[in-house]
Amino acid sequence: NAGVTQTPKFQVLKTGQSMTLQCAQDMNHEYMSWYRQDPGMGLRLIHYSVGAGITDQGEVPNGYNVSRSTTEDFPLRLLSAAPSQTSVYFCASSQKYGGMGTEAFFGQGTRLTVV
Amino acid sequence: GDSVTQMEGPVTLSEEACLTINCTYTATGYPSLFWYVQYPGEGLQLLLKATKADDKGSNKGFEATYRKETTSFHLEKGSVQVSDSAVYFCALSDYGGSQGNLIFGKGTKLSVKP
Repeated sequence: NAGVTQTPKFQVLKTGQSMTLQCAQDMNHEYMSWYRQDPGMGLRLIHYSVGAGITDQGEVPNGYNVSRSTTEDFPLRLLSAAPSQTSVYFCASSQKYGGMGTEAFFGQGTRLTVV
Repeated sequence: GDSVTQMEGPVTLSEEACLTINCTYTATGYPSLFWYVQYPGEGLQLLLKATKADDKGSNKGFEATYRKETTSFHLEKGSVQVSDSAVYFCALSDYGGSQGNLIFGKGTKLSVKP
């Protein structure tokens, strides 16, 4: 059971380039989300999805797009990378949206550097 | 809005010392509370959780009790090991306030020396 798989693990982009961070889960979870982790800031929610075809913004959505065409996949797109998007990105999934005590499962992260 | 405040680190302890990492929260509804741990180079994994007042979560020798009267969920361990060195995150999920999303504290880095 692979859980939540993120690719790539590391990426360096030039300012203005675009890229897609991939996230896939094999647990048939309804709820998926993207966080960014910055020093001294904890994890901040970028976008989330409560099921295929449904997405919504989190705390820091600017500069990022998402889509959810299948239950398994939830890619995060950076349309025009900026140095402020240098961060570690985590994808997470959980079985139930808003469920009390629902555990979130995290991928191993993508370390992105924008130069 | 909902928020989590946890003790700033880093925290450095000797092996077998006692650990307490303080966590307090603000929530509009009736949140579930979590402690996640992040080992170097890895993603977060659930350490323990509590879903209602006075519940005690426990795992791997760590404990935390959901205190509604003090809005706290402090993490404790009686005797830490070198292998406990990691970053610890307190988090809440409040169906009424945060719409079920996880709200994280800023994390506390723990280093345990032999």
